[in-house]
Amino acid sequence: NAGVMQNPRHLVRRRGQEARLRCSPMKGHSHVYWYRQLPEEGLKFMVYLQKENIIDESGMPKERFSAEFPKEGPSILRIQQVVRGDSAAYFCASSPQNGFDYGYTFGSGTRLTVV
Amino acid sequence: GQQLNQSPQSMFIQEGEDVSMNCTSSSIFNTWLWYKQDPGEGPVLLIALYKAGELTSNGRLTAQFGTTRKDSFLNISASIPSDVGIYFCAGVGGSNYKLTFGKGTLLTVNP
Repeated sequence: NAGVMQNPRHLVRRRGQEARLRCSPMKGHSHVYWYRQLPEEGLKFMVYLQKENIIDESGMPKERFSAEFPKEGPSILRIQQVVRGDSAAYFCASSPQNGFDYGYTFGSGTRLTVV
Repeated sequence: GQQLNQSPQSMFIQEGEDVSMNCTSSSIFNTWLWYKQDPGEGPVLLIALYKAGELTSNGRLTAQFGTTRKDSFLNISASIPSDVGIYFCAGVGGSNYKLTFGKGTLLTVNP
């Protein structure tokens, strides 16, 4: 039973480049949640997706950030024209149904460094 | 937005000692959670609390859901070196899928 798989584990981008972070949910899970963790902070909710639908993106910055969860393949968090303030650990979690009560498992994260 | 105040920010203890940490909020939560995060890893759920006043144990860990639904504490008894890590509280409020996290307590255990 593979857990939530995130790749890459570490990503270095120069300012202005694009960052693509991938999240493959656990088998049988169709709900994905993305969180961001700034240095010495707790995780902050960014977006909740189901297959082909964005359910809640209230935590996403208004510009440069987008997320998708296509019918086939992993969920993608995309950051365009990265800036130093985007440096953080990005975690995704998945669940078999809506919400925490059904088992909500985090991946090991992608650590993005913008230089 | 909702915020959780977690304390202490860090703790340095000797192996075998007991540890206590807590979280408070200005908002009511329906569920309180405690996670542990090891370096370079994602958070792992330790204990989930679903009812006000609930006291739940998981091995050497004990956590309680405050009666006001605005606070929770976590106790670790007889600490061991592998308890080292960052402990986070998290609350689940009106949206059952959205977790609000505290800033964490960094625990260091000296053997």
